[in-house]
Amino acid sequence: ETGVTQSPTHLIKTRGQQVTLRCSSQSGHNTVSWYQQALGQGPQFIFQYYREEENGRGNFPPRFSGLQFPNYSSELNVNALELDDSALYLCASSFSTHSGSYNSPLHFGNGTRLTVT
Amino acid sequence: TQLLEQSPQFLSIQEGENLTVYCNSSSVFSSLQWYRQEPGEGPVLLVTVVTGGEVKKLKRLTFQFGDARKDSSLHITAAQTGDTGLYLCAGPSGTYKYIFGTGTRLKVLA
Repeated sequence: ETGVTQSPTHLIKTRGQQVTLRCSSQSGHNTVSWYQQALGQGPQFIFQYYREEENGRGNFPPRFSGLQFPNYSSELNVNALELDDSALYLCASSFSTHSGSYNSPLHFGNGTRLTVT
Repeated sequence: TQLLEQSPQFLSIQEGENLTVYCNSSSVFSSLQWYRQEPGEGPVLLVTVVTGGEVKKLKRLTFQFGDARKDSSLHITAAQTGDTGLYLCAGPSGTYKYIFGTGTRLKVLA
């Protein structure tokens, strides 16, 4: 069973730039959620993708966007980076039988550490 | 707005000691999960509690879900250095997301 993998592991960007983070879901999982974890905080929900569509969104501006591909992998894109975007970005995969269901627990990757200078 | 508050925020204890960390909310949750996160890694699920009053044991870890499903506790017996990490509680909010507490950072000293 292949776990959740994220790339890159670390990234340094300059304010105003754009970044794309990637996530491969665990085999057998069809739903991907993205979380932002600032230093010393718990993860905050960004959005979830199910069947290649955004299924729900947390309190994040539109410059945070995402995609899910037919193989259930996903990307998180952040435009116009700000200093406060510096955080650990976590991808979690799970299995859902339909949109908005909790059928299996979240399996997290090891995250991408983004530093914005 | 549903919130999960964890206490204490930081805990430093000697190997062999017992400890309890708490996760509290003013809202009712259908279930609560506990995760452990080590530096440089993502959170790893330890347990899910579903029924009010439920107690689950995982080796030296005992998890309890409050009768009213608003709170939970994690008790570690005879802590080991390998228990060091960030302990997070999380609960489902709405139909698609989990909310997480701010975590308890545990350090077990040899």
